[in-house]
Amino acid sequence: GQQLNQSPQSMFIQEGEDVSMNCTSSSIFNTWLWYKQDPGEGPVLLIALYKAGELTSNGRLTAQFGITRKDSFLNISASIPSDVGIYFCAGQPRGGSNYKLTFGKGTLLTVNP
Amino acid sequence: NAGVTQTPKFQVLKTGQSMTLQCAQDMNHEYMSWYRQDPGMGLRLIHYSVGAGITDQGEVPNGYNVSRSTTEDFPLRLLSAAPSQTSVYFCASSGTDEKLFFGSGTQLSVL
Repeated sequence: GQQLNQSPQSMFIQEGEDVSMNCTSSSIFNTWLWYKQDPGEGPVLLIALYKAGELTSNGRLTAQFGITRKDSFLNISASIPSDVGIYFCAGQPRGGSNYKLTFGKGTLLTVNP
Repeated sequence: NAGVTQTPKFQVLKTGQSMTLQCAQDMNHEYMSWYRQDPGMGLRLIHYSVGAGITDQGEVPNGYNVSRSTTEDFPLRLLSAAPSQTSVYFCASSGTDEKLFFGSGTQLSVL
């Protein structure tokens, strides 16, 4: 099936720093979504992207749908301790079902106060 | 509005035992699915359902059964648990778009 390459696998940063992570695929995706998973909880949707080139913000988070439709980026500005968690990208491949998403393996973010 | 509710939160089984992980949603979503999460593997789709009475296999279906008798409920059954099924299991649902809503997970250990 489709695969998403998410990087980096983990990040250890200082509070206040900006964070960038990305997902890439060899195939075209129609939709990109970014989720955050807090320890002991299920993933929660942060941002959804539907058009190539689309740039969407949610507070300190900004995500972009890549122009080639094969990648997406998530940036977190001025990180705070509660940003700690695993961030997942997910996408709906072109020609795929509306409901069957492909997930990246996640980026583990640690923020040092 | 509770969203997606999973029970139990934790479970320990012995090899060969059977059990059912429960999942219910109160958002009238047609689509429901089960994922397992293992370290370094991300989220992998086990089974999914696009409506009551309709189920299909995902990426890693072996060892698991599902049924969907109502819109609200989508239980996952392990007929004969194996240590390889030690994992964290998430149920998710969505409506007419791609936005999945997840439950809080079931941490399963098979000894």
